[in-house]
Amino acid sequence: DAMVIQNPRYQVTQFGKPVTLSCSQTLNHNVMYWYQQKSSQAPKLLFHYYDKDFNNEADTPDNFQSRRPNTSFCFLDIRSPGLGDAAMYLCATSRVGTGQETQYFGPGTRLLVL
Amino acid sequence: KNQVEQSPQSLIILEGKNCTLQCNYTVSPFSNLRWYKQDTGRGPVSLTIMTFSENTKSNGRYTATLDADTKQSSLHITASQLSDSASYICVVSAQTSYDKVIFGPGTSLSVIP
Repeated sequence: DAMVIQNPRYQVTQFGKPVTLSCSQTLNHNVMYWYQQKSSQAPKLLFHYYDKDFNNEADTPDNFQSRRPNTSFCFLDIRSPGLGDAAMYLCATSRVGTGQETQYFGPGTRLLVL
Repeated sequence: KNQVEQSPQSLIILEGKNCTLQCNYTVSPFSNLRWYKQDTGRGPVSLTIMTFSENTKSNGRYTATLDADTKQSSLHITASQLSDSASYICVVSAQTSYDKVIFGPGTSLSVIP
């Protein structure tokens, strides 16, 4: 089935130790998004890729970076995780330009920072 | 300011009963409105999507309505099941070059036996 896959589902890292979260999609969507969601809060958009074009939200910390090597894959790199970065990270995709855009979310990666 | 509000914040209902969740928005320009279901610890799953010209959309036991004039939407769940326990999020999309969305805070629904 076409879907959005995130690995790993759970990630434990140490304070300050770089970590990479991955997302892949089989939907062939042109836009991929990374969201951060903390407990009982709405997801917060960190950045998105429209094809190869990277678009950062103004309030996304420099600590967060992203790579999209091809249409199917997108990575979230946290260069020096702090305790405040512990959250659920959601990847989503959409095909923009259809007039019926909706975002398909992956299952999320829960990050724990020790 | 683009904003999405939802009510109630939380709701507890008995299994088999119906319920209605509300969403009010001030998003301009409006593209579409979606309802998502998010189980604890999982990513949101799309239930319905409605554009400006649509005023009702059903997906099984879920029925969403949209009044674009008053900028209100509702999600009606019929014959609730224990598996309906989740957060229901109203998401409104603004017309931009990409799919810029504004999330509501969600309604936490608990269905009890």
